[in-house]
Amino acid sequence: TQLLEQSPQFLSIQEGENLTVYCNSSSVFSSLQWYRQEPGEGPVLLVTVVTGGEVKKLKRLTFQFGDARKDSSLHITAAQPGDTGLYLCAGGNNAGNMLTFGGGTRLMVKP
Amino acid sequence: GAGVSQSPRYKVAKRGQDVALRCDPISGHVSLFWYQQALGQGPEFLTYFQNEAQLDKSGLPSDRFFAERPEGSVSTLKIQRTQQEDSAVYLCASRLGGGSQPQHFGDGTRLSIL
Repeated sequence: TQLLEQSPQFLSIQEGENLTVYCNSSSVFSSLQWYRQEPGEGPVLLVTVVTGGEVKKLKRLTFQFGDARKDSSLHITAAQPGDTGLYLCAGGNNAGNMLTFGGGTRLMVKP
Repeated sequence: GAGVSQSPRYKVAKRGQDVALRCDPISGHVSLFWYQQALGQGPEFLTYFQNEAQLDKSGLPSDRFFAERPEGSVSTLKIQRTQQEDSAVYLCASRLGGGSQPQHFGDGTRLSIL
């Protein structure tokens, strides 16, 4: 069974601060996806990384896939209240028939 | 519609009742997934369809859970003899084609078993 552990589970910071969310596993994934989920809504895809060591940037968000494709990180620069939400990492298997989700990081950015 | 549509959005049932949850995927999407999300946790995989074929049902927690997609479009997740531990948000996702393409999620059905 593939498992993904996210840390921290909860994060409360002030507007303008930087933060990093980690997603770790002992298993290798063919791809790693990051989602953001608002209350009462489904997860919305932010990015997909597929190559070990890959770094992708989306405005103030930087995503990295570990060299061994077992871990990933999400770094947010100068967080804003609009970044508040639940951030989920999800690993894809080779067959492409499921995503294994981490437990999520609930981020609150206070103005 | 443009996105994945799930109905009902909320369902309250008494323990022991049967429930049926519906998912309308994005038109033309071949793959369809069901996930269960308990309160405060990440989604957990339940089952996967490619067209009308159920290719993976390894995540279904018991034989009380049954999913179908008879015409390769709309899917129904049925839970028989519901238990309190079935209370969760049930998410449906669809994908246009192969494994490298993104899954698009609906907003889920929140199921509460009393």
